[in-house]
Order: sequence, then C-alpha cells, then structure tokens
Amino acid sequence: EPEVTQTPSHQVTQMGQEVILRCVPISNHLYFYWYRQILGQKVEFLVSFYNNEISEKSEIFDDQFSVERPDGSNFTLKIRSTKLEDSAMYFCASVGTTALLAKNIQYFGAGTRLSVL
Amino acid sequence: SQQGEEDPQALSIQEGENATMNCSYKTSINNLQWYRQNSGRGLVHLILIRSNEREKHSGRLRVTLDTSKKSSSLLITASRAADTASYFCATAASENDYKLSFGAGTTVTVRA
Repeated sequence: EPEVTQTPSHQVTQMGQEVILRCVPISNHLYFYWYRQILGQKVEFLVSFYNNEISEKSEIFDDQFSVERPDGSNFTLKIRSTKLEDSAMYFCASVGTTALLAKNIQYFGAGTRLSVL
Repeated sequence: SQQGEEDPQALSIQEGENATMNCSYKTSINNLQWYRQNSGRGLVHLILIRSNEREKHSGRLRVTLDTSKKSSSLLITASRAADTASYFCATAASENDYKLSFGAGTTVTVRA
C-alpha cells in the first residue's frame, strides 16, 4: 500500500537554527498538508498546499514557516529560526482526488519529532 | 473553530469488551472522520461519515453521527490488545475543504 514518508524521524536543533522537514507524499495525490502535535495536545493544522501554492494557513504558520514542493515529489516544511515552542511532532498528509469516496481521506506520514533545545 | 472534543480522555477495558468514545464539535461539517494513533506513530484513517449519514460500520467499528447534537460516537466491539491506541475525531468543514480539525483524543488501553 502506498504511504507518505517523512524524514528525519527525529530532529534535534538549537534555538534559532533553521530546520527543514521533508515529506514524500503518495504519488498522484494533489493536496498536501502539514500538521503539528505538541506533546499531549491536539493535532493542529498548519498549512495546506495545492497546485504549487499555499491554499490555506493557520495562525501558527507565521513568517518563520514556509513550504515548498521543489521537485514534484518532495514536500518540505522549513522553520527559519526555531523557538523552544516549536518542539512538537510534525505530520505531513496528502489527499488524492481520483476516487470520489476517498478524496476526503488524508494519508499521514509517521511524523518528525522536532526537539528545540 | 470547529474542533472536536472527545470524551472520555482515557478508557481502560478488558480484551473482548466494547469501547465507546464520543466526540462533539462546534460548527457545521461536511464529514467527520476517526483516526487512530499508536504511540509515537502517525495517524491512520479508520472511518469517515458524511453529514447526511447517521451510522456507518466497518469491521468491528461502528460510528454514529447526530448533526442536531453536533456529536459522534465510535464503538469498537470485541476489543483486542492491538486496539490499544489514541483515537481522534476530525471534522472537515466543506466538500472541497479537506483541512481537518482534530479533537483532543481518547486514549484506549485494552488489557489482555
């Protein structure tokens, strides 16, 4: 079964450093998402991406965050200058729209645990 | 925000028993979904119910939706140790808005 792949599984960084979290969505999927989950809290929507541009972003997704689909397969989340409160699990998800019933189902990666020290 | 809120927060049951968890949300939805998350892992889609549906079954899972009360329930019948996980409801606002708003989750522990 196709799956969403995220790397690295764990990233440790110093406050103020830039990090790039990588995701390979399921091929032929068209909609891509990043969510985050701070330990013990809800999964929160960060940003959605379609047709090579951001379609929606949450309040969390400020100027320190950016997303890119550099080569048609990878989907990256960059945090320019990390803060302690960015420590969380970051999930990538993708949605395919080829099947009517399946188009609302999001396929999630296993996540990247970001630890900002 | 139309984030779901689950209850209970945690549930501990014996293998073979049924587990029921509830979710409430705040605004109108197009569909409601349930996801499972094993410890430290990603979210796995379990079942989707649309706003015009009242009940759906998938294997040992039964989901109900009451749009008048803005609530849903997930029932896992004949639970197994492998069902130990956190379960989240998530809502999607409209037909073409796939962004999900998640609840806080119910942690289910199935004792052998």
